[in-house]
Amino acid sequence: DTEVTQTPKHLVMGMTNKKSLKCEQHMGHRAMYWYKQKAKKPPELMFVYSYEKLSINESVPSRFSPECPNSSLLNLHLHALQPEDSALYLCASTSGAGDSPLHFGNGTRLTVT
Amino acid sequence: DAKTTQPTSMDCAEGRAANLPCNHSTISGNEYVYWYRQIHSQGPQYIIHGLKNNETNEMASLIITEDRKSSTLILPHATLRDTAVYYCIVRDTYSGNTPLVFGKGTRLSVIA
Repeated sequence: DTEVTQTPKHLVMGMTNKKSLKCEQHMGHRAMYWYKQKAKKPPELMFVYSYEKLSINESVPSRFSPECPNSSLLNLHLHALQPEDSALYLCASTSGAGDSPLHFGNGTRLTVT
Repeated sequence: DAKTTQPTSMDCAEGRAANLPCNHSTISGNEYVYWYRQIHSQGPQYIIHGLKNNETNEMASLIITEDRKSSTLILPHATLRDTAVYYCIVRDTYSGNTPLVFGKGTRLSVIA
């Protein structure tokens, strides 16, 4: 079990759809992250939020739009995705204090048709 | 780019110790070494981290060389459930929200 909860676990969407991925943690963590992982590859950083403000955007296409409505919740809004965007999307969080480790959810498996 | 080098794959007999090496020859003074593992179709799981002293927890031990240029993760009694990809990551903790940069990791197969 993980203390970072991601929903849905699986999502299939067409290229014209709009959908959202949700990530929630109740550990009081102040930094949250989105990673993307393609099959048989390591996770790649997409976005970092610190104290609810976007601090890092790794040149992610605008069809991915992150949102942090409060310190416990992180969303990733998806619009006009391409089949090559199919991947496992992982959320992580950390307290932001010193060397505290990141804790990951189990991800949303996204398929774009 | 990842700052670590790990073997692509390793095998370990069930019940034996698994020793996973990692080279991080360019590590700087304020960078910690973190180990994560990822079991198929799950998110990465935190295992252990350290700066310069050896560390042990309920999952594993971390041995860091005195010059800090390499480290070894030890799973003392490997089980089939330890089969996973293991990532060694060097992370600057000056800013507490510094992300993890994953390399390719080591695929550990525990064999019955």
